[in-house]
Amino acid sequence: KAGVTQTPRYLIKTRGQQVTLSCSPISGHRSVSWYQQTPGQGLQFLFEYFSETQRNKGNFPGRFSGRQFSNSRSEMNVSTLELGDSALYLCASSLDFTHRWLAGGGSETQYFGPGTRLLVL
Amino acid sequence: KNEVEQSPQNLTAQEGEFITINCSYSVGISALHWLQQHPGGGIVSLFMLSSGKKKHGRLIATINIQEKHSSLHITASHPRDSAVYICAVLFSATPRLLYSGGGADGLTFGKGTHLIIQP
Repeated sequence: KAGVTQTPRYLIKTRGQQVTLSCSPISGHRSVSWYQQTPGQGLQFLFEYFSETQRNKGNFPGRFSGRQFSNSRSEMNVSTLELGDSALYLCASSLDFTHRWLAGGGSETQYFGPGTRLLVL
Repeated sequence: KNEVEQSPQNLTAQEGEFITINCSYSVGISALHWLQQHPGGGIVSLFMLSSGKKKHGRLIATINIQEKHSSLHITASHPRDSAVYICAVLFSATPRLLYSGGGADGLTFGKGTHLIIQP
């Protein structure tokens, strides 16, 4: 069973540009979560998509957006890039991780992709 | 404020030692997640737990809901265990938040523990 894939793996952009990152979840998984990791802030939750709907959103500005397609593949977009957006962006897929654990009785985990390293110059 | 604290921040030990990494959180949770991140950046999920204790090979995770504390133990540590270990929690959400289609929190992460096991 193929794991979570992310493209591209590395990306260099300049301030003011926009960027789109892609995540393909494990086959059969409908939930995709996105995370940002920086040396200063560590890992932070960006948003979660389930069945093409954004279900949860972290505390990030509106420049960060995403979407999910009918095949569960997800993209995230960052517009008007800033130097501070340089980070490792990770996605993780699951059957329905957040909902099941919040409702009680959860047992599944999330599977992380290798990440996309974004450098903003 | 929902917070997750990990200790120690850095840990260097000799091969074979018993390792303990701690995680404390501020309010009620639905689940706690232990993750392992290797230098290349890849993250592997080790455990998800909401109560009690779980064991997988040389790794053991425990959680005390009343004390809002979890520990990750590594027995007979090995240099290949060298990595960053991250604790993440899913804070409890009210049923209103859960079923309103948004607003529930995602994972909140600790800063990680940098573990080095020397041969």
